[in-house]
Amino acid sequence: QPVLTQPPSASGTPGQTVSVSCSGGSSNIGSNTVNWYQQRPGAAPKLLIYSNDQRPSGVPDRFSGSKSGTSASLAISGLQSEDEADYYCAAWDDTLNGPHVIFGGGTKLTVL
Amino acid sequence: EVQLVESGGGLIQPGRSLRLSCAASGFTFDDYAMHWVRQRPGKGLEWVSLISWNSAYIDYADSVKGRFTIWKDSAKNSLYLQMSSLRPDDTALYYCVKGCTLGGSGGSCYSNWGQGTLVTVS
Repeated sequence: QPVLTQPPSASGTPGQTVSVSCSGGSSNIGSNTVNWYQQRPGAAPKLLIYSNDQRPSGVPDRFSGSKSGTSASLAISGLQSEDEADYYCAAWDDTLNGPHVIFGGGTKLTVL
Repeated sequence: EVQLVESGGGLIQPGRSLRLSCAASGFTFDDYAMHWVRQRPGKGLEWVSLISWNSAYIDYADSVKGRFTIWKDSAKNSLYLQMSSLRPDDTALYYCVKGCTLGGSGGSCYSNWGQGTLVTVS
């Protein structure tokens, strides 16, 4: 079962920069783009970063994404209290068996 | 404004069937792939199924293959998920999501999400 591995938690103080990693393999991140979602408590997920490093309209430039090899990373600079949320990475997986879209397990970001 | 409104969830006994619906508006429904993504209580996101813009490509997660069926009705701008042989581990909030890419057949980029409909199998 292909998986994307994220740290379960991350934290930072207001104004800091925090990063969330997403590790995969050659059949997913290594050969497809990565997308990131933010899910605030009680809300539906929201697209945060697409195609590895692109921000949809309306997403602050404090959020940035990158990809290298079979890993991706989400960085949040100038951390704000409203950034406290769960963050998920996602990628298409080319493995013949198993799910064709996979999500990371999610990272719960706490703003101290 | 894109809107996705799910309905059809509820409490259902194991082994029974349930049909979820998603009413879409604010975009050309036939131009985008549509997906179902679920979230078990207190857990992460899990992709369930997709249908391409032209219904030519349909796929399911292994966990639901053979039990769930996805389809869409372009005349009604609606997406559906027929769930059969339901199991307790199908209990989840089911989201209807819109693909990012015009004419897309799959992918993991979802530009819009509904608020979800809760399915409880017990």
